[in-house]
Amino acid sequence: DGGITQSPKYLFRKEGQNVTLSCEQNLNHDAMYWYRQDPGQGLRLIYYSQIVNDFQKGDIAEGYSVSREKKESFPLTVTSAQKNPTAFYLCASSIVAASREKLFFGSGTQLSVL
Amino acid sequence: GQSLEQPSEVTAVEGAIVQINCTYQTSGFYGLSWYQQHDGGAPTFLSYNALDGLEETGRFSSFLSRSDSYGYLLLQELQMKDSASYFCAVRDRGYSTLTFGKGTMLLVSP
Repeated sequence: DGGITQSPKYLFRKEGQNVTLSCEQNLNHDAMYWYRQDPGQGLRLIYYSQIVNDFQKGDIAEGYSVSREKKESFPLTVTSAQKNPTAFYLCASSIVAASREKLFFGSGTQLSVL
Repeated sequence: GQSLEQPSEVTAVEGAIVQINCTYQTSGFYGLSWYQQHDGGAPTFLSYNALDGLEETGRFSSFLSRSDSYGYLLLQELQMKDSASYFCAVRDRGYSTLTFGKGTMLLVSP
């Protein structure tokens, strides 16, 4: 079945540590996105990528980094510069052209600080 | 920039009808989308309105008034499984991404 796979489901970060969240899709979608969700809040855009080897900052990119070396993969690194990393992280993908309005989401990664 | 307003919480009973409103402010406008998210789960796409009027998909309908910068999601014959958070989202012409509202938590009781 086609879909988006995020791993791990739960992740713990120590002070000063960088951690990487995995996101893989087999939907052959061009665009991929990372959103952060805090309790009682909407989804806020961290980074997005519309083609391989290219990505743009979203609204809250500080303290995060991404790469897009393959169409299928869009990993997110939460760096030690992100002082409040505890949140639910959602990866999504979409077709860039006609169906730009419909995002397909992964099941998310809950990141907590030890 | 873009901003969206929706109620934080709505309660209803099984079998009832509930309407979740969304007002938005954008510099341009493509359309209004709705997503459902169960607790701890992935948001899933429900509907999209680019033109004024009502779009119906089974028990769910979505409405848009571009002149009023307003839309709503209508859920009929509510079921317990409809208890979830519902997000409206917009993309305007200058952006290639969606901006989401803060979500409305719907609680359906027996």
